[in-house]
Amino acid sequence: EAQVTQNPRYLITVTGKKLTVTCSQNMNHEYMSWYRQDPGLGLRQIYYSMNVEVTDKGDVPEGYKVSRKEKRNFPLILESPSPNQTSLYFCASSYDRQGTEAFFGQGTRLTVV
Amino acid sequence: AQSVAQPEDQVNVAEGNPLTVKCTYSVSGNPYLFWYVQYPNRGLQFLLKYITGDNLVKGSYGFEAEFNKSQTSFHLKKPSALVSDSALYFCAVRDRGFQKLVFGTGTRLLVSP
Repeated sequence: EAQVTQNPRYLITVTGKKLTVTCSQNMNHEYMSWYRQDPGLGLRQIYYSMNVEVTDKGDVPEGYKVSRKEKRNFPLILESPSPNQTSLYFCASSYDRQGTEAFFGQGTRLTVV
Repeated sequence: AQSVAQPEDQVNVAEGNPLTVKCTYSVSGNPYLFWYVQYPNRGLQFLLKYITGDNLVKGSYGFEAEFNKSQTSFHLKKPSALVSDSALYFCAVRDRGFQKLVFGTGTRLLVSP
């Protein structure tokens, strides 16, 4: 089954404790991205990757890091989480062709206290 | 810059009645347009897209959307709503020159029995 898998689904952590949210896709997609969803703001792009070893900032990259060492994986790293990073996070992937739709993971609800 | 507006935070409709969820967009050229649906505790699911061609596109679960270039709109419609259609709906646009997907703030659809 074609899917994007995120882990964990839920996470409560304390300010400053480094964490990683994993994302993996099994569709051989070139393009992957991370979004955060906040009430009233919709989804905002954090980082994206056009292919292995190619990453770039989205609209709200501050406080986040990513890496793309393999095509299927695109982890999101919060080196020093803060309460304003409490949000619902989604990973998405798609083919790097114009007009293709994105596939989304189930989401990771992160709470930073 | 690309942008999407969903002017209604919530749409209420009775089961069996037609529904419309509004979306307007702004891009520099011809757009790729998408609708996604989010059920509680789930990721976003692709509903339909407009790439080119017929202005009326049909998608999953009986939904359709009408592309109107002069009004820069891409409203989501369904002839007869179901209670199970109750969810959060997102409109998104991609400029043909870029991979970035820009989302609206979402519209909550509530279908009452």
